[in-house]
Amino acid sequence: AQSVTQLGSHVSVSEGALVLLRCNYSSSVPPYLFWYVQYPNQGLQLLLKYTSAATLVKGINGFEAEFKKSETSFHLTKPSAHMSDAAEYFCAVSLNRDDKIIFGKGTRLHILP
Amino acid sequence: DAGVIQSPRHEVTEMGQEVTLRCKPISGHDYLFWYRQTMMRGLELLIYFNNNVPIDDSGMPEDRFSAKMPNASFSTLKIQPSEPRDSAVYFCASSFGRDAPLYGYTFGSGTRLTVV
Repeated sequence: AQSVTQLGSHVSVSEGALVLLRCNYSSSVPPYLFWYVQYPNQGLQLLLKYTSAATLVKGINGFEAEFKKSETSFHLTKPSAHMSDAAEYFCAVSLNRDDKIIFGKGTRLHILP
Repeated sequence: DAGVIQSPRHEVTEMGQEVTLRCKPISGHDYLFWYRQTMMRGLELLIYFNNNVPIDDSGMPEDRFSAKMPNASFSTLKIQPSEPRDSAVYFCASSFGRDAPLYGYTFGSGTRLTVV
C-alpha cells in the first residue's frame, strides 16, 4: 500500500530564510504526489501536485517541490519565508486516477521574526 | 461556487448523545470524502462516496459511526452514541470524476467536535 512520511512534525525558520519540508513516499508504481496547506481554523488547500509531467513543480505562494524517484522524495521548498507561510503542511500520495489520496501526518511550519 | 459547506462549525455535546455532521459538496462533484483530524492520528480517511454510493468505509472506526449520502448535494456523518475520544475536527471534501487525484480535493472548513 502507498504511504507518505513527513520528517519533522514541527519546523521553525526565520523570516526570509529558506523553507524546506521533507516528504518521502512509498509506492510500488509511479505515484501522484501532492502538497496541501492548512491555515488555522481552515480546511486544506491544494498547494501543488506532481502527476508525472515535469519533475519540478511550482505551486502557489512561491512554493515548489521536486520529484526525485531515486530518493523516493517530494520535498517542498520556498526560497524566502514570509510570516504568512505559518501553517500546517501535508504531503499526500495517490497511486492512480481512481485511487483515494492518502495524507501524511503533517508538518507545522513556524516563522520566527 | 461557495465551495464545500460544512455545518455546524463547532459542536459540543455530552457523552452518549447523538451527533450529526453535515456536508454540501461542490455542485457537479461526484466524489465525497469524510476525514477526521486529531493531534495523535493526523488526517484519517473515514469513508468516501462516488455518485452517492459508499465505495470504501474501511476507515470508519466502529459501528457507532455511520455516513449517508441521500443525494448528490448532501451527506451526513452520524455518531451514536458519542464518546470523548471522538473529539476531533471532521472534514468533508469533494472532487470531480476519475481525475480526482489529478486535481486534488476541495475541502470544507471542518466541524470541530467536542464530546464532554
